[in-house]
Amino acid sequence: ETGVTQSPTHLIKTRGQQVTLRCSSQSGHNTVSWYQQALGQGPQFIFQYYREEENGRGNFPPRFSGLQFPNYSSELNVNALELDDSALYLCASSPGTGGTEAFFGQGTRLTVV
Amino acid sequence: QKEVEQNSGPLSVPEGAIASLNCTYSDRGSQSFFWYRQYSGKSPELIMSIYSNGDKEDGRFTAQLNKASQYVSLLIRDSQPSDSATYLCAVNWGNRDDKIIFGKGTRLHILP
Repeated sequence: ETGVTQSPTHLIKTRGQQVTLRCSSQSGHNTVSWYQQALGQGPQFIFQYYREEENGRGNFPPRFSGLQFPNYSSELNVNALELDDSALYLCASSPGTGGTEAFFGQGTRLTVV
Repeated sequence: QKEVEQNSGPLSVPEGAIASLNCTYSDRGSQSFFWYRQYSGKSPELIMSIYSNGDKEDGRFTAQLNKASQYVSLLIRDSQPSDSATYLCAVNWGNRDDKIIFGKGTRLHILP
């Protein structure tokens, strides 16, 4: 059974650019959630995808968008990058919605300069 | 606004002692509760989940849930230096349009 994998692990972008982060969910999991974690803070919920549909969104602007594919892998896209977008981006997969356990990938460290 | 509160610490505990980590949450409708461990520079790792009132034990870890008091705790017995990490409390409200809300975490330091 493969775990949650994210790519890339590190990324440096310039303010105003766009970025795409990728996540492969754990085998058997149909739900993917994305989180942003700033230094010294807990993970902040961005959005969740369940069976290719957005299933909830946190307080993030529309320039944060996502997709889930038929194999349940997912992408997080961020447009018009700002310096404050520098953070660890975490993907978590779970076998369903409704309070099931979520397992994280290793994260993508995004630095915006 | 659903919130999860934790003392940021650091909490310093001698090796071999019991570490007690606490968490409160704002909404009585909460259904699922989780404790994650996060080492510096790494992603969170699920160590315990608890869904009903009372205690749940797994090895050296015990999770305690009191829904009436909106309180969940994690006890680590026989603390080891390798337990030094940030512990994140997380709560899920169990609806279809759900999400897991995390606290800011408590930094635990086990003193050799």
